[in-house]
Amino acid sequence: KAGVTQTPRYLIKTRGQQVTLSCSPISGHRSVSWYQQTPGQGLQFLFEYFSETQRNKGNFPGRFSGRQFSNSRSEMNVSTLELGDSALYLCASSLGPDRGYFGPGTRLTVL
Amino acid sequence: GIQVEQSPPDLILQEGANSTLRCNFSDSVNNLQWFHQNPWGQLINLFYIPSGTKQNGRLSATTVATERYSLLYISSSQTTDSGVYFCAVVTNDYKLSFGAGTTVTVRA
Repeated sequence: KAGVTQTPRYLIKTRGQQVTLSCSPISGHRSVSWYQQTPGQGLQFLFEYFSETQRNKGNFPGRFSGRQFSNSRSEMNVSTLELGDSALYLCASSLGPDRGYFGPGTRLTVL
Repeated sequence: GIQVEQSPPDLILQEGANSTLRCNFSDSVNNLQWFHQNPWGQLINLFYIPSGTKQNGRLSATTVATERYSLLYISSSQTTDSGVYFCAVVTNDYKLSFGAGTTVTVRA
């Protein structure tokens, strides 16, 4: 079974631009979560979707948004990029209580 | 929110040595997981262990949920064990709350 995939793997943007990241979960997994990892803040939860519904959202500004499609694929969008948005963005999918199926991540650099 | 504390923050080992990493959490949890982050950033799922003991090769983990801690044991360490180890817990809100990690360096 294929693992969680994320595209693109690397991205360079400038301040003020917007970006869309994509995550394809493991087949059959209906929950998709997003996390941001930075050296200063560590791994922080962004949001979680299940069957196209957002069930939980972390403490991030409204510039961070996401959605999930009927095939469980998910996208997250960051508008009006700031330098501090530079990070590794990780996506995870799950079927049950084991939430450990992570993708390889998208490394975003904001210049 | 729940607090997750890992110790030690850094660990340097000689190849072949054994070690124990600790994770303390501040509240009851539904789930606890251990991860190893490889140099490319991917989180590798080591254990899903809300309670009890599990073993996978040279790695084993024990969670004592009633006392709010978990331990990860690395035996006969190898250079490939180097990296950052994270524990993460889940309460009732579908999210993983991560500790700050333990950076392990295994020297040949």
